[in-house]
Amino acid sequence: GESVGLHLPTLSVQEGDNSIINCAYSNSASDYFIWYKQESGKGPQFIIDIRSNMDKRQGQRVTVLLNKTVKHLSLQIAATQPGDSAVYFCAENRDYGQNFVFGPGTRLSVLP
Amino acid sequence: DSGVTQTPKHLITATGQRVTLRCSPRSGDLSVYWYQQSLDQGLQFLIQYYNGEERAKGNILERFSAQQFPDLHSELNLSSLELGDSALYFCASSDGPQNTETQYFGPGTRLLVL
Repeated sequence: GESVGLHLPTLSVQEGDNSIINCAYSNSASDYFIWYKQESGKGPQFIIDIRSNMDKRQGQRVTVLLNKTVKHLSLQIAATQPGDSAVYFCAENRDYGQNFVFGPGTRLSVLP
Repeated sequence: DSGVTQTPKHLITATGQRVTLRCSPRSGDLSVYWYQQSLDQGLQFLIQYYNGEERAKGNILERFSAQQFPDLHSELNLSSLELGDSALYFCASSDGPQNTETQYFGPGTRLLVL
């Protein structure tokens, strides 16, 4: 499939290690955030979301942390697997009911 | 498979032309969203329709328009195409009007303008 964002920051991790992908958002008024995973040749896939009244939310093997003080969002993937290789986007909702703003993405490469 | 379908998968056309991209949402979803993904600008929200009505507008150019039909499928019309319109165009759907609900993305249409 087509490569998205050929010059994306890349995170390389060993299979089985934990991955941490970071995202900075710009608008302190943003109150809802989503992490998406996009595999080559496919559309973005919802992973996990978090609202601004929470600091942490856990899913299956994934955890999202929100630090509103520094406007920072992170996605932690436990025991990273080859199938986790993809581009990961964070998205913030700036105007409730309007539209999401997506970050540039980070490419996660899982090494055998 | 998200349940959202998009056609065509690939489209090659020339500058100045007009194309129509089609999207069928997941069964039961009333909202359809259109996004553009280009190499230099990332993923950008274009427009949302809910049950046939325009719900929210993002960075959509005046040369672009969309509509949602009574059967809930949607079309994105791109006219007076320019080289810079080359991108992946994604459709997503959700069941309600609020875009804070989970959106399910289709596989995208890859548009190349020559």
